[in-house]
Amino acid sequence: DAGVTQSPTHLIKTRGQQVTLRCSPKSGHDTVSWYQQALGQGPQFIFQYYEEEERQRGNFPDRFSGHQFPNYSSELNVNALLLGDSALYLCASSLFVGTGLNEQFFGPGTRLTVL
Amino acid sequence: GQNIDQPTEMTATEGAIVQINCTYQTSGFNGLFWYQQHAGEAPTFLSYNVLDGLEEKGRFSSFLSRSKGYSYLLLKELQMKDSASYLCAVREEGGSYIPTFGRGTSLIVHP
Repeated sequence: DAGVTQSPTHLIKTRGQQVTLRCSPKSGHDTVSWYQQALGQGPQFIFQYYEEEERQRGNFPDRFSGHQFPNYSSELNVNALLLGDSALYLCASSLFVGTGLNEQFFGPGTRLTVL
Repeated sequence: GQNIDQPTEMTATEGAIVQINCTYQTSGFNGLFWYQQHAGEAPTFLSYNVLDGLEEKGRFSSFLSRSKGYSYLLLKELQMKDSASYLCAVREEGGSYIPTFGRGTSLIVHP
């Protein structure tokens, strides 16, 4: 049973460029959440997708956008990259059952470096 | 929103016991999670507390006091592989089931 997968593993971009990160959820999961984790910090919630719609959004600018496909996989797009966007981007999958444990399974992350 | 506080770094000796504390402030509590994260890797789920008391799972235990806004993660019989960051995350009531993470506690286990 494949867990959460993300691609690419590492990425180097320059300021002003655009980037697309990809995530495939754990088999059987229908919800994908994206997090940004700066060095030495905890993961910060960007947004969550369920049924191909953005359901929740954290405190991130519109430069951050996403998409979910019918097979539940998801993309995170960041436009007009800034140096401060350098971070580990984590994807987490779960079932959209709301409360209770509703455990999230994290992917290995994509390390984005903006020069 | 939540305000989650945990120590930045702790050190301990192999074979010992360590307690990592987490305090939080929230308008409506709906569960607390502990995750382990090794350097450069994804967080992995350790425990979930929604009621007061102690949850034990092998060498790891987690405690919650909702009235005090306090939790701790207890690691027994420490091993070198336990060196990692430990993240406390709190979920609020009110329609959002997204946990908010603290900045994590870096635990260093030495021989």
